[in-house]
Amino acid sequence: AQKVTQAQTEISVVEKEDVTLDCVYETRDTTYYLFWYKQPPSGELVFLIRRNSFDEQNEISGRYSWNFQKSTSSFNFTITASQVVDSAVYFCALGPGGTSYGKLTFGQGTILTVHP
Amino acid sequence: EAQVTQNPRYLITVTGKKLTVTCSQNMNHEYMSWYRQDPGLGLRQIYYSMNVEVTDKGDVPEGYKVSRKEKRNFPLILESPSPNQTSLYFCASSLSRSSRVETQYFGPGTRLLVL
Repeated sequence: AQKVTQAQTEISVVEKEDVTLDCVYETRDTTYYLFWYKQPPSGELVFLIRRNSFDEQNEISGRYSWNFQKSTSSFNFTITASQVVDSAVYFCALGPGGTSYGKLTFGQGTILTVHP
Repeated sequence: EAQVTQNPRYLITVTGKKLTVTCSQNMNHEYMSWYRQDPGLGLRQIYYSMNVEVTDKGDVPEGYKVSRKEKRNFPLILESPSPNQTSLYFCASSLSRSSRVETQYFGPGTRLLVL
């Protein structure tokens, strides 16, 4: 069975601090996809990144970066120089590799609060 | 404008009264999916569809039905709603091809209260 664990239920930081959101996954699939989504207070879901299990390169997009380590089954998300607008719930998700998406398994989510 | 639309956005109903939540996308996406979000449980997938007439169960399909007769539409049907189906529902769509970066679009959500 597939499982995603986001052990940090809530994180609180002060603006400009760096923050890392942890994601650990379990799967028996040899190929799979990993995702991160953001849900701001307004409630919509925003897709952030999709990563193929074959691609262990770290990804950077502006202040966001992702560290994928297959050896530890982790796909952590770091926000550098956090801002108040980063306050949101962040979800990590795991999907099968046989198709591009299919059945997704989400973690419980991490509530990030950035204080001014 | 590329988007996923859901209707209604808010719905209060009573136990046993059949309802349908519509989902439509204008991006010619093959893949569509329904999720429910509950406090403390995160997002759970209800059903998904890889293409027209191809649907499959997610993690929590009980009490729900779906159909995919057209590529753009993926309605969620609750034949006999119960209070435990009170939740926030999201529809999503995306292309279904393998590429390095793929965007999954979510609808705005439907808040359902079953009394």
